[in-house]
Order: sequence, then structure tokens, then C-alpha cells
Amino acid sequence: NAGVTQTPKFQVLKTGQSMTLQCAQDMNHEYMSWYRQDPGMGLRLIHYSVGAGITDQGEVPNGYNVSRSTTEDFPLRLLSAAPSQTSVYFCASSYGVGNTEAFFGQGTRLTVV
Amino acid sequence: GDSVTQMEGPVTLSEEAFLTINCTYTATGYPSLFWYVQYPGEGLQLLLKATKADDKGSNKGFEATYRKETTSFHLEKGSVQVSDSAVYFCALSGADSSYKLIFGSGTRLLVRP
Repeated sequence: NAGVTQTPKFQVLKTGQSMTLQCAQDMNHEYMSWYRQDPGMGLRLIHYSVGAGITDQGEVPNGYNVSRSTTEDFPLRLLSAAPSQTSVYFCASSYGVGNTEAFFGQGTRLTVV
Repeated sequence: GDSVTQMEGPVTLSEEAFLTINCTYTATGYPSLFWYVQYPGEGLQLLLKATKADDKGSNKGFEATYRKETTSFHLEKGSVQVSDSAVYFCALSGADSSYKLIFGSGTRLLVRP
């Protein structure tokens, strides 16, 4: 019953460092996405993927890269961390189009100093 | 573009009180509507959903009705419990972007014994 697994749960970075947030799902879902959660702003979509090899930008993609080489994995890369990227990041997956349930990971709390 | 507006929190209630959290949306076409709940330290979980006008979603004593005429999807519960304390997010997936969720800013509910 793993569902959507995110690692790490917590991370502190220095400005300018790079890192990859990992996301894996074991439900054979085609759709995966990354959101960031900031106080008073809900969740905002960073990038999403509708299948292996296919990715696209969401609402706030700047400073982030993604790739989808397998159905299971959808890593999020921060190329050069900035304090504005301090946030809680959630990965989600779903089986089909919009009226199906999205399953979320437990989140990664990232602090950039 | 599509958007979701929900009432500011926090909402503080005594146990067994009636709960309403307001949610209105702007969208083209016929979106699907969702309520997600986030318990402390966890990811988001689907609470209920409605996919067409006049549908009522329900789960764990919570209900919400898709009102197209007022573009609303208010969350209600007749008698809240301490265990309902969480952050509640209203969300939609649009007809032309059905694999992307658009969230409201979230409403924190605190239920006191």
C-alpha cells in the first residue's frame, strides 16, 4: 500500500545549490504532477506529465525541471535554489482525466537559506 | 483563467457544531469539483467530489452540492468532531485541463472539545 512516495521529507539548501526531489507511485497511474504549497495560496501546479516521456509546464514552472522516463517515477529538479523556492512540495498521481481522484504524497518541506 | 475562491480561515468551532466552508469557482465549460482534506503533517486526501451540476458529493458526514447557477460547491457537516480539525481545500479540474487541479487557498478548521 505504498501509493505515492516522496523523498526526502525535509531538506535545507543553500542559495545556488541544486537538488532533486524524488516521487514514485506504484499504482500504474499515467498522470503525475508536482505542486507547491505556500501559506495563503493553496497549491499551485509546477509541472505535470500525462505519460512516460511527456511533460509540460504548469502555473509556476520557473526554476524547476522535470522528466518522466518511467511510468512510476517523476523527479523534480531545482537547478539553482533560491529563497523564493522555500515551500512544501507535493507530488500527485491519478489514473485518468479530471474527475478521477488524485493521490498525494506526504510532501517535502524545503527551506532555502 | 479558471480559479477557486474559498473562505478565509481559521474557522473555530465547538464539537457537534454545524460547519459550512464556502467555495465558489470560475471556469469555462463544465468542471469537476473536489474537496480535499489535509491533516497535520500529511498529504492531501480526497474527501468528496461532484462531476456535474446538481450532483451531491458526500463522505464521512461531509456533503457538498455542485451548484452551477451560483458557481458554488460549499462544504457542510452537521456535527463536527475534534478529529475533523484539518485544512480543507476546494479544487476544480477544468473541461479543457482535466488532468490539472486548481486549488483554493485552503481553510483551516479547528474543533474544540
